[in-house]
Amino acid sequence: EIVMMQSPATLSVSPGERATLSCRASQSVSSNLAWYQQKPGQAPRLLIYGASTRATGIPARFSGSGSGTEFTLTISSLQSEDFAVYYCQQYNNWPRGTFGQGTKVEIK
Amino acid sequence: EVQLVESGGVVVQPGGSLRLSCAASGFTFDDYAMHWVRQAPGKGLEWVSLISWDGGSTYYADSVKGRFTISRDNSKNSLYLQMNSLRAEDTALYYCAKDMGLGSGIPDYWGQGTLVTVSS
Repeated sequence: EIVMMQSPATLSVSPGERATLSCRASQSVSSNLAWYQQKPGQAPRLLIYGASTRATGIPARFSGSGSGTEFTLTISSLQSEDFAVYYCQQYNNWPRGTFGQGTKVEIK
Repeated sequence: EVQLVESGGVVVQPGGSLRLSCAASGFTFDDYAMHWVRQAPGKGLEWVSLISWDGGSTYYADSVKGRFTISRDNSKNSLYLQMNSLRAEDTALYYCAKDMGLGSGIPDYWGQGTLVTVSS
């Protein structure tokens, strides 16, 4: 099984600042990496797939990068609605996609 | 607008059975594979199962293989998860999710989930 590890567990950021979230795979997943946002009491929302392609309707302040085992989600200027938990998911080992444990982005 | 509405979650005793349903609308249901993903209380996401667009192929996480069965009825735009031999560790919010397509393995739209609690 491919294990996905996210860091940090919690990220404290002020509104308007940049947030950088990391995701590492235990083996190469090529560019088969997605990012999701989950707010309390809500379902996950797909943000990024293919490591760097924004999903439909996702604002340009969200960007993804990386390939192989190291990936990054960057939120360029945090808005109040961006405070949430973010998960990475590999789908290289189709169909058994595995998720990271999540990074909580909280208001500093 | 894609809509996925899960139902069927209840409190069930260990060893019991349960069938979850997911009603889909807003897209051509039989064009897409469908997933079940679960989230234990306060925990992260765990992929559970996938079914192909026509129901001909099914896949399971090792943690549920042999106990859970995924199925679909394209005439009713509905997805199902039959859960047998339930354990305490199956307690979770169960989401159905549409696959992005082309065999991607990416759940792109999710329902709000239905809560399954396994407890005596």
